[in-house]
Amino acid sequence: GQQVMQIPQYQHVQEGEDFTTYCNSSTTLSNIQWYKQRPGGHPVFLIQLVKSGEVKKQKRLTFQFGEAKKNSSLHITATQTTDVGTYFCAGQTGGFKTIFGAGTRLFVKA
Amino acid sequence: SAVISQKPSRDICQRGTSLTIQCQVDSQVTMMFWYRQQPGQSLTLIATANQGSEATYESGFVIDKFPISRPNLTFSTLTVSNMSPEDSSIYLCSGLRVANTEAFFGQGTRLTVV
Repeated sequence: GQQVMQIPQYQHVQEGEDFTTYCNSSTTLSNIQWYKQRPGGHPVFLIQLVKSGEVKKQKRLTFQFGEAKKNSSLHITATQTTDVGTYFCAGQTGGFKTIFGAGTRLFVKA
Repeated sequence: SAVISQKPSRDICQRGTSLTIQCQVDSQVTMMFWYRQQPGQSLTLIATANQGSEATYESGFVIDKFPISRPNLTFSTLTVSNMSPEDSSIYLCSGLRVANTEAFFGQGTRLTVV
């Protein structure tokens, strides 16, 4: 079945450092979504990428969708303590089912 | 997106008993799903809750263990039956309005089986 891999599993950074998490699907995706889950909370939608090679930015966050629509990345510039949480990528293949990656847990040390 | 109210938020249950988790959406959604999440882990899809018909279960999950109802477009329940400590986890419902759009989640139910 469809699988979405995500690395790294954990990342410890000093506040101000950059952070990147990578996502790779076993199948071509219709779209890739990114979610953030704060400790003790539920996943919250951040963004969706649909087009091959698409790049979107939200303030310090930059999201990319690969040319083959099988991989994606999330890059955070100059992390802040408010960025702490787990970042999940999630893929859809043309329907309603959303398959989540394993998530990358970000720790930010002040 | 819509708002999903999920309850209970947490419960501690005796092994062998059953717990029903409810999710109420503030507006109609096309699809609803149930996920399980171990602390610090990813979300594992249990099933798709189909309105007016039997749920569609993912590999490793069966109806006898996780019966699901969805009587209308705004409500769904998941029952965790004959619980064992291995069922201790966070259970989340989610909804989608339209295919290929964002999923929104309930607040989650933290279940502990003792």
